[in-house]
Amino acid sequence: ILNVEQSPQSLHVQEGDSTNFTCSFPSSNFYALHWYRWETAKSPEALFVMTLNGDEKKKGRISATLNTKEGYSYLYIKGSQPEDSATYLCAFRSGGSQGNLIFGKGTKLSVKP
Amino acid sequence: NAGVTQTPKFRILKIGQSMTLQCTQDMNHNYMYWYRQDPGMGLKLIYYSVGAGITDKGEVPNGYNVSRSTTEDFPLRLELAAPSQTSVYFCASSYTRNRGENEKLFFGSGTQLSVL
Repeated sequence: ILNVEQSPQSLHVQEGDSTNFTCSFPSSNFYALHWYRWETAKSPEALFVMTLNGDEKKKGRISATLNTKEGYSYLYIKGSQPEDSATYLCAFRSGGSQGNLIFGKGTKLSVKP
Repeated sequence: NAGVTQTPKFRILKIGQSMTLQCTQDMNHNYMYWYRQDPGMGLKLIYYSVGAGITDKGEVPNGYNVSRSTTEDFPLRLELAAPSQTSVYFCASSYTRNRGENEKLFFGSGTQLSVL
């Protein structure tokens, strides 16, 4: 059974702090890694889709890196703001284009003003 | 742009009742999905469809049925509701599954279902 682990489960930071969290996935038969941002009372929204080992993606103050050989991805938020408070989900695909996304349980970030 | 529209937002069912969760998308996406979210768990795939007329089981299909008669619509049917089906349900769609930005999922707003 494929498993995707996210750590930490939750994180409380002060406004202005930079933070990062981890997504771990099986290192064999990698196809794609997704990151989603899920605000309370809303639906998940895609941040990044990463497909190549060494990929780095950036959107504003949020960036992500990918290491498919060791099976992990980091999500970084620089200078956290209260509006960054959300649950961040990662999802892993293996087995080519026919494989389905396996979601982690998420990291819940709270940013205090 | 409407994106993925999912109804209803909330529903309470009695054990044994049936209902259909509606999902429609206006982005001409071939791929559509139904997920459920239970507390403390990751999103679990119930059923998915790669195009009109084609559906397949996901990780947790028992107790559910789907159909895909058009590209736009992908309803999820619960035939005999059970307490174990109390969950938050999300419909999603994607343009492709072939790597890159176009395989990202677009989610509906969710349905909170309670079976009592």
